[in-house]
Amino acid sequence: KQEVTQIPAALSVPEGENLVLNCSFTDSAIYNLQWFRQDPGKGLTSLLLIQSSQREQTSGRLNASLDKSSGRSTLYIAASQPGDSATYLCAVPLSGGYNKLIFGAGTRLAVHP
Amino acid sequence: NAGVTQTPKFRVLKTGQSMTLLCAQDMNHEYMYWYRQDPGMGLRLIHYSVGEGTTAKGEVPDGYNVSRLKKQNFLLGLESAAPSQTSVYFCASSYLNTGELFFGEGSRLTVL
Repeated sequence: KQEVTQIPAALSVPEGENLVLNCSFTDSAIYNLQWFRQDPGKGLTSLLLIQSSQREQTSGRLNASLDKSSGRSTLYIAASQPGDSATYLCAVPLSGGYNKLIFGAGTRLAVHP
Repeated sequence: NAGVTQTPKFRVLKTGQSMTLLCAQDMNHEYMYWYRQDPGMGLRLIHYSVGEGTTAKGEVPDGYNVSRLKKQNFLLGLESAAPSQTSVYFCASSYLNTGELFFGEGSRLTVL
């Protein structure tokens, strides 16, 4: 059974720091992996989607890597800003696709000025 | 650019009452999903649909029913609400079955 774990559960950093969020999954037979951002009281916004054939994806100050063989993904945030404060979730599809996603519990990030 | 719209955003029910949550998307997506989010448990898939007229069970389907009579709408029904169904419900849609997911802003349901 696929399980997704995110470490740490919460992180507080000063503005300007580079930081890494971790995601691990137990079944490496995945189609892709997605990183989402969730602001308090809001829905999820897709940040990056990495296909199984890719090693990484970049969008602005965000870089996500994928290592299927070890069951790990990292989300790197460069030069963090207070506006980056949110919960970050990673998700992988259950076997069979159809975006039947299994989510991690998320990392709650606080960037203070 | 409405994207995915959920109604209502908040609702309080008494145990045993019924209600329906409506999800509407204007992106012509084939695939639609209902998730619930509970503290410390991430999101869990309730039901999903791979096209108009189709529905399928997800990870936690018990106590819920769904319908997809029109491509743009996906309804989630609770026939007899229970306190265990207190949660935040999210609808999502995607164009491809392994593509980017677009989420609504959520519907917060409390069952007393």
